[in-house]
Formats: sequence, structure tokens, C-alpha cells
Amino acid sequence: AQSVTQPDIHITVSEGASLELRCNYSYGATPYLFWYVQSPGQGLQLLLKYFSGDTLVQGIKGFEAEFKRSQSSFNLRKPSVHWSDAAEYFCAVGFFGNEKLTFGTGTRLTIIP
Amino acid sequence: KAGVTQTPRYLIKTRGQQVTLSCSPISGHRSVSWYQQTPGQGLQFLFEYFSETQRNKGNFPGRFSGRQFSNSRSEMNVSTLELGDSALYLCASTTGGDLPNEKLFFGSGTQLSVL
Repeated sequence: AQSVTQPDIHITVSEGASLELRCNYSYGATPYLFWYVQSPGQGLQLLLKYFSGDTLVQGIKGFEAEFKRSQSSFNLRKPSVHWSDAAEYFCAVGFFGNEKLTFGTGTRLTIIP
Repeated sequence: KAGVTQTPRYLIKTRGQQVTLSCSPISGHRSVSWYQQTPGQGLQFLFEYFSETQRNKGNFPGRFSGRQFSNSRSEMNVSTLELGDSALYLCASTTGGDLPNEKLFFGSGTQLSVL
């Protein structure tokens, strides 16, 4: 079945440690890929997106993501997290000509001192 | 530039009632999408409007409807509310171009509670 999966519901990381959030997709064609962040009580903010070209994508707030076609993955990384990164992170997919985004169920990130 | 504005911020209704939510997009944006966010289902696409026409629709029952006005403001209506309709309803706006070249700007949402 077509889907986008975020295997980790909740991740806890120490401030200053590195972070990797996983995202896998299952579609016949390679979709466009997005990562969004949602802070408590807020809407979603786009961190980065991939639709072609360099498979390592740089985003805002020091985040990056790597597209791996062979693994159908688009994992989000940050070398050193800050307390302000605590939020919920959503991976999403879309296709050309269709304004609909399909979101994963999200990964909640907790930062401990 | 003002962001996407959703009103009201919170809403409490009882089963069987109907509700209307409002979304004002960023100035110049002509596309408005609506999403339902619940803890169990995550974000699910409801529909998208562009220049007063519905271009895309998700898999929701006919109780969920929407419209867009000539100034691009959009409303979403849910009739005969059910307990399962309790959710955060988010709208997002873009200029209406192709998805890879667009950036969705989300509002803070309307939190609907159905009692």
C-alpha cells in the first residue's frame, strides 16, 4: 500500500547531541519529499524539501536530510540539537500536479539538558 | 506580511450541530488547503481550493465541505458533528503553483472539540 512511515513515535535526545529522524515511503514513483516541524500550539513550518538533484538537502535551523532511493528513505538530521528544537516533526510526500500532501504520523522530539 | 489566519482558535460544539471554520490566506495567495490533525490519524488532507474552485478532495464524508471566496478566504463546514470530528483543523495557503516550487504556509489551526 502507498504510505509514508515515521517509525519513531517519540525520541529523546540530550541537548548538544546529534539527531536523526527516520522517514520511509512506499510509492510506485519517487514522490516529492518534505519535512515539517510543529511547535506546541502552532501550525506547521517547512524545514526542507527534495524533488530532484543533490540528494543531500539543507534546510532551515541547521537541519539537513538525505534522500536514499535504494532505501526509500528521507531521514532528517541535525548535528547538535538545541532545547528549542523540541517539537513534533512530520515527513510528507507529494506528487507533481497534485496539491495534496500525505503526512507521516509524526515524531515527537524531547530535548533533555 | 501577515501570515495565515484561522478563526476561531478554539471551538466547542455538541454532537449533531454544525460548525464553520474560517481561513484567511497570506495576501496574494490563491490556493487554500485544509487538513485535519488528530493524535491517532495524524494529518489528513481534506480539500484544496484555488480561485474559488475545488481542485482536490481527500477521503472524507460529505459532511465536510468547503468553499472559497473571491478574496481567497476560505471556509470549511462540518455538518452533523460526531465525536470523532474532534481535531485540530489546519489550513495552508500557497500562490497556487506546482507543488515542488511552492511552500505551504500553515495557520495555527482551529481546535474543535465535540461533546
